Amino acid sequence: DAGITQSPRHKVTETGTPVTLRCHQTENHRYMYWYRQDPGHGLRLIHYSYGVKDTDKGEVSDGYSVSRSKTEDFLLTLESATSSQTSVYFCAISDLRGQGDEKLFFGSGTQLSVL
Amino acid sequence: GENVEQHPSTLSVQEGDSAVIKCTYSDSASNYFPWYKQELGKGPQLIIDIRSNVGEKKDQRIAVTLNKTAKHFSLHITETQPEDSAVYFCAAIISSGTYKYIFGTGTRLKVLA
Repeated sequence: DAGITQSPRHKVTETGTPVTLRCHQTENHRYMYWYRQDPGHGLRLIHYSYGVKDTDKGEVSDGYSVSRSKTEDFLLTLESATSSQTSVYFCAISDLRGQGDEKLFFGSGTQLSVL
Repeated sequence: GENVEQHPSTLSVQEGDSAVIKCTYSDSASNYFPWYKQELGKGPQLIIDIRSNVGEKKDQRIAVTLNKTAKHFSLHITETQPEDSAVYFCAAIISSGTYKYIFGTGTRLKVLA
């Protein structure tokens, strides 16, 4: 999957606990994204980053925060997990944005279950 | 707001037959339309894309057509094989003004041997 590693691959946690998902890329792409995938909703953007320490919200950002301290790493944190955050989370990268030819490369996903 | 409608949600075809998946977008400013294939347990992978200034694009057994007037674009897979079984997502990208990358809800394709 294009030099993208997500960890962990599976996570089960309890409501109210903090959870951090990690995305690591070896492609040196500028843009990194976190999506969630739910039945009937396709892929929805949570947050994205356009450089080290530069991040912005997506369409479903409530309850999530992100950090990017290095080009290769993008962290997604659920400060206090809720059952509605049970989902499959995908990290994606691209080297273009806003130029009309943006190909996204996805990681293998993290299955998160909040009980 | 902007959205991409994708149909059907599930599609079963016999091996060797053709499969067609259709998407409709709402914002006429959309100018790039990629298609992604997601196999079980994996992330989506780009399989073909088309720019708004092109009406059709082919790559071996897959093709994408675009009708800008009707705001429709479709994925065509000919001579389907069992390994084509997957979930397919269309997307529409708006890169002028407010940037948006909007995915359809996905189509689960099953190719029956």
